Amino acid sequence: GAVVSQHPSRVICKSGTSVKIECRSLDFQATTMFWYRQFPKKSLMLMATSNEGSKATYEQGVEKDKFLINHASLTLSTLTVTSAHPEDSSFYICSASRVGQPQHFGDGTRLSIL
Amino acid sequence: EDQVTQSPEALRLQEGESSSLNCSYTVSGLRGLFWYRQDPGKGPEFLFTLYSAGEEKEKERLKATLTKKESFLHITAPKPEDSATYLCAVPYNQGGKLIFGQGTELSVKP
Repeated sequence: GAVVSQHPSRVICKSGTSVKIECRSLDFQATTMFWYRQFPKKSLMLMATSNEGSKATYEQGVEKDKFLINHASLTLSTLTVTSAHPEDSSFYICSASRVGQPQHFGDGTRLSIL
Repeated sequence: EDQVTQSPEALRLQEGESSSLNCSYTVSGLRGLFWYRQDPGKGPEFLFTLYSAGEEKEKERLKATLTKKESFLHITAPKPEDSATYLCAVPYNQGGKLIFGQGTELSVKP
């Protein structure tokens, strides 16, 4: 099946640090990548949709200057949490898809801001 | 408003005890319904896509069915390794965005 790799799997850093998370589709070219946030015992909350070569579309309430998304190629998207604070601590998950196919998810990044 | 509701929130079964999980949806123009499995600390793993009422898909002990208003995930003779959270989702626009249900946390005890 389709493989999506997300790195790093876990990050612990100090408040004020910027953190970059990578999402790669390893065996297919993804026309669209999605970034989600998941709180404990809760479902996935879509943060933004990213198409290769164009600006990301953010969901209502998501700060685009806080969560910078770059989708430089059909196999790589990055999410940078800028000047992270404890309230940004969460489980971030990416997914990749192509037209007519289901989304395939990475294994997530556990972000802890001290 | 497009909506996906799963029930029950949690389900505890004994090994071998078959049961079903429910996913009710309200969406204008269904463009597919997806089932995923999520293990703790991991991303969701794709299981099935269903597109039309009456369609069924099977994979090992799992069978997904679809009606015009809901989908069921039937688990036959579950094993402890089937323990996970099961999520269903439907697209809500042409761009492929998904609305997820809250999930059913399944626990299968030996």
